Amino acid sequence: GAVVSQHPSWVICKSGTSVKIECRSLDFQATTMFWYRQFPKQSLMLMATSNEGSKATYEQGVEKDKFLINHASLTLSTLTVTSAHPEDSSFYICSATQATGTGGDEQYFGPGTRLTVT
Amino acid sequence: AQRVTQPEKLLSVFKGAPVELKCNYSYSGSPELFWYVQYSRQRLQLLLRHISRESIKGFTADLNKGETSFHLKKPFAQEEDSAMYYCALAGGTSYGKLTFGQGTILTVHP
Repeated sequence: GAVVSQHPSWVICKSGTSVKIECRSLDFQATTMFWYRQFPKQSLMLMATSNEGSKATYEQGVEKDKFLINHASLTLSTLTVTSAHPEDSSFYICSATQATGTGGDEQYFGPGTRLTVT
Repeated sequence: AQRVTQPEKLLSVFKGAPVELKCNYSYSGSPELFWYVQYSRQRLQLLLRHISRESIKGFTADLNKGETSFHLKKPFAQEEDSAMYYCALAGGTSYGKLTFGQGTILTVHP
């Protein structure tokens, strides 16, 4: 089956630094990847949609200059949290789908990355 | 705007009892609806989607457009069904963007 990996699985960084999270589709080409954020005991909130070779589309309220997304290849998307602050501490999850188009495409989820900003 | 509501944050049943996880949605067009499950210490995975009209692990869900609901049901719950369940909606032109409900933690007691 389709597998999505994330690296790192957890990271601790100091306030003011930047941290990069990678999302890879291991055995399929992902034309679209999604980045979610999940607070403890809460649902997943979509942050942005990332299409290979084009700029990411951010959801309302998500700062694109703070959460930089790069989808450079069909198997890799990266999320960089710039100038991180403690309030950015969260669980970040990516998902990938094999095709663009209507909403019927299954999304394959990564295991998530726990970010803690001290 | 699209919205998904799961009114129960927690649901507890005993093994062998029927279980129903409620999901209501708000969407002006024709939605695609999904149930995702997250077992303890595992990643989110698709359980079923309404267009498939299939039964997975004994679970079924029927889209009721009149009531804008997509409740998940299983006639006889098993302990291994204990997990977090998310109902999700994708709009037809949203290129796969999913809107998730708040999630329901199902606990099946022995």
